[in-house]
Amino acid sequence: ETGVTQSPTHLIKTRGQQVTLRCSSQSGHNTVSWYQQALGQGPQFIFQYYREEENGRGNFPPRFSGLQFPNYSSELNVNALELDDSALYLCASSLVGQGLTGELFFGEGSRLTVL
Amino acid sequence: GNSVTQMEGPVTLSEEAFLTINCTYTATGYPSLFWYVQYPGEGLQLLLKATKADDKGSNKGFEATYRKETTSFHLEKGSVQVSDSAVYFCALSDTGFQKLVFGTGTRLLVSP
Repeated sequence: ETGVTQSPTHLIKTRGQQVTLRCSSQSGHNTVSWYQQALGQGPQFIFQYYREEENGRGNFPPRFSGLQFPNYSSELNVNALELDDSALYLCASSLVGQGLTGELFFGEGSRLTVL
Repeated sequence: GNSVTQMEGPVTLSEEAFLTINCTYTATGYPSLFWYVQYPGEGLQLLLKATKADDKGSNKGFEATYRKETTSFHLEKGSVQVSDSAVYFCALSDTGFQKLVFGTGTRLLVSP
């Protein structure tokens, strides 16, 4: 059983650019969530995808968007990058359904630096 | 809205010392409560959980009790080890394990 994997692990962008972060869910999981963890802070919920549709969103602007693919992998896209977008972006997968709200399994994260 | 407040770190202890990391929460309804741990270079891992008042979660010698009257979920361990050095996050959710609200984290440093 493979865990949650994220890519890239580190990347540097400049203000105004766009970035795509990728996540492969743990085998058998149907739900993926994304969190932003700024330096010295706890993770903050960005959004969650279930069956390829957004299923809840935190307090993030529309320039944060995502996709979930039929194989349950996912992308997080951020347009018009700002300096404050510099953070560790965490992906977490889980199995949800039939009354289950399963444990989240987190990847190691993608560290984004915006200059 | 829902929120979690943790004691600031770092918490510095010698091996075999007693550990307490305080966590209080604000929430409507009856959330589930969690402690997650983040070891250096690794992702967040669930350490323990409690889903209703007076429940005690426990794992790897750590434990925490869901106290509704004091809205607290303090993490304790009787005898810490160097390998326990990590960042510990308290979190809550009103939707099972989903849509977690995290505290700011407490770094624990254990010296031999």
